[in-house]
Amino acid sequence: DAKTTQPTSMDCAEGRAANLPCNHSTISGNEYVYWYRQIHSQGPQYIIHGLKNNETNEMASLIITEDRKSSTLILPHATLRDTAVYYCIVSNDYKLSFGAGTTVTVRA
Amino acid sequence: EAGVAQSPRYKIIEKRQSVAFWCNPISGHATLYWYQQILGQGPKLLIQFQNNGVVDDSQLPKDRFSAERLKGVDSTLKIQPAKLEDSAVYLCASSLSGGAYGYNEQFFGPGTRLTVL
Repeated sequence: DAKTTQPTSMDCAEGRAANLPCNHSTISGNEYVYWYRQIHSQGPQYIIHGLKNNETNEMASLIITEDRKSSTLILPHATLRDTAVYYCIVSNDYKLSFGAGTTVTVRA
Repeated sequence: EAGVAQSPRYKIIEKRQSVAFWCNPISGHATLYWYQQILGQGPKLLIQFQNNGVVDDSQLPKDRFSAERLKGVDSTLKIQPAKLEDSAVYLCASSLSGGAYGYNEQFFGPGTRLTVL
């Protein structure tokens, strides 16, 4: 029962911004949007989360549309170390349901 | 700050054998999770503990999997007997509040890669 839809894969150039889309058209009013990433052979790592407003931290920015049906994770200056699987998750409690995510490959 | 610790990192066993994984969460984190990640898929929640009580074990195959969190700190996940389809990475995660305040940042350990032959 996937709540989010993400592209299977995407490439981006090192030093450029990477924009990762996520559709969550059935999101409810009290559900947060979370982004995690998983670098090869490591556990998932929290990136950012948001409810309604756009958010920014040292890793990324999260842009949520006004109707909250979609969002975009922005990595402002992608590096080779950002190559990973990126998961977009919506949740209002403890349960994080991971889909297959987007495999992002940053190329030199 | 120390992260979530797991051991062993790798384990190879024959089917029908038993295996146990250990997890030590971040100090002060009340909530502990075990996930199973099959190759090519996202992690799937097996069980969640709040302190030493089980909150959710609906996805845990209870005929062969068991987990405990004695004293509300570290935890053990056991499989007995193992099947071929149990080959996966077993991830442990912890969080401060487990989503009690509507927001839930989980910190993951490196995982244990299990191969069942």
